[in-house]
Amino acid sequence: GENVEQHPSTLSVQEGDSAVIKCTYSDSASNYFPWYKQELGKRPQLIIDIRSNVGEKKDQRIAVTLNKTAKHFSLHITETQPEDSAVYFCAAQYAGNMLTFGGGTRLMVKP
Amino acid sequence: NAGVMQNPRHLVRRRGQEARLRCSPMKGHSHVYWYRQLPEEGLKFMVYLQKENIIDESGMPKERFSAEFPKEGPSILRIQQVVRGDSAAYFCASSPRQEETQYFGPGTRLLVL
Repeated sequence: GENVEQHPSTLSVQEGDSAVIKCTYSDSASNYFPWYKQELGKRPQLIIDIRSNVGEKKDQRIAVTLNKTAKHFSLHITETQPEDSAVYFCAAQYAGNMLTFGGGTRLMVKP
Repeated sequence: NAGVMQNPRHLVRRRGQEARLRCSPMKGHSHVYWYRQLPEEGLKFMVYLQKENIIDESGMPKERFSAEFPKEGPSILRIQQVVRGDSAAYFCASSPRQEETQYFGPGTRLLVL
């Protein structure tokens, strides 16, 4: 089955700096890669996603890049703000079935 | 358009009791997925259902756990004879079609005493 590794597990940045979270996946058949943000005690919320026919996608301060050859994808957050502090999860999916999640990254943005 | 609904939001059970968790997908969504999240961990897939069918239950323990998504009404995840290790947050997600984005409900936090 699919296996998703996520790094780092914790990330502390100064407000205004950029944050990068990286994930690798094992199954080359995976074709959909969403990123979720989860605040304490809340539901995971989709923040951006990318499909395998695209190499990069951007939405305001958030961008995701995908390297299918190397089987890794990354989340980039620019101009971080304190409200970006949360746990971020990457995930991979193939054949429209379940999502396989990474272990999560706790992002702390210091004011 | 209301989001994914789950109830109860919090559930306390004693060891050996049954827990019944409900999930109402977003309007127009016929695909439901259940995930479990242990404290300080990621989400793990349990089961994938469409109306009246279990598509993939490979992540669900063979004993004590069952799931259904009837023609009418919410999807239900049932845990019989709960044990302390079942304490976790259980999230369901729904999508309108296969290979579409999954949207998560608020979760049910189960505590087994």
